[in-house]
Amino acid sequence: AQSVTQPDIHITVSEGASLELRCNYSYGATPYLFWYVQSPGQGLQLLLKYFSGDTLVQGIKGFEAEFKRSQSSFNLRKPSVHWSDAAEYFCAVAGGTSYGKLTFGQGTILTVHP
Amino acid sequence: DVKVTQSSRYLVKRTGEKVFLECVQDMDHENMFWYRQDPGLGLRLIYFSYDVKMKEKGDIPEGYSVSREKKERFSLILESASTNQTSMYLCASSPPGQETQYFGPGTRLLVL
Repeated sequence: AQSVTQPDIHITVSEGASLELRCNYSYGATPYLFWYVQSPGQGLQLLLKYFSGDTLVQGIKGFEAEFKRSQSSFNLRKPSVHWSDAAEYFCAVAGGTSYGKLTFGQGTILTVHP
Repeated sequence: DVKVTQSSRYLVKRTGEKVFLECVQDMDHENMFWYRQDPGLGLRLIYFSYDVKMKEKGDIPEGYSVSREKKERFSLILESASTNQTSMYLCASSPPGQETQYFGPGTRLLVL
């Protein structure tokens, strides 16, 4: 069965600082990987996804993620965080079925200090 | 733009009541999903549907049922609400063969 672990429950950074959110997955074949963001009181918005090809994926809002098969990781990065990035971030994995079932990590809450 | 709407943003119900949560998508997607979100647990799949009148159990289906009579609408039913079903409920949809899911704004349900 597939699984996702986000080791950091809560991260605090200063505005302008760089950010890396960790995600480790478990899946037997090549996974489909996603990062979603949830602002307070809102649904989830897709930041980026990896299906195949280039292992460095660019997303919206200046985010990027790198797929590392050897480490079973898909970490999310941003070079300079803005106060509006404060939200909860979810990593997810899909097994490539036509039904598109996703397994989510526990989420990482990002706090941004001015 | 894909639009997924949920009938209520906030809902308060009493223990034992029958509760209906409605989800509608406007992009003709085959797949629809219901999740519950709890702090520290992320999103957990309750049920999903890959076609009209078709449904599959997810990871935590106990205490829930679903209905999909029309392609655009997917309902989650709590037959007899209990306090441990107090949670945020999120609906999502996706096209066939495509794992990208599009989410509604969520319904925060409080069962007293």
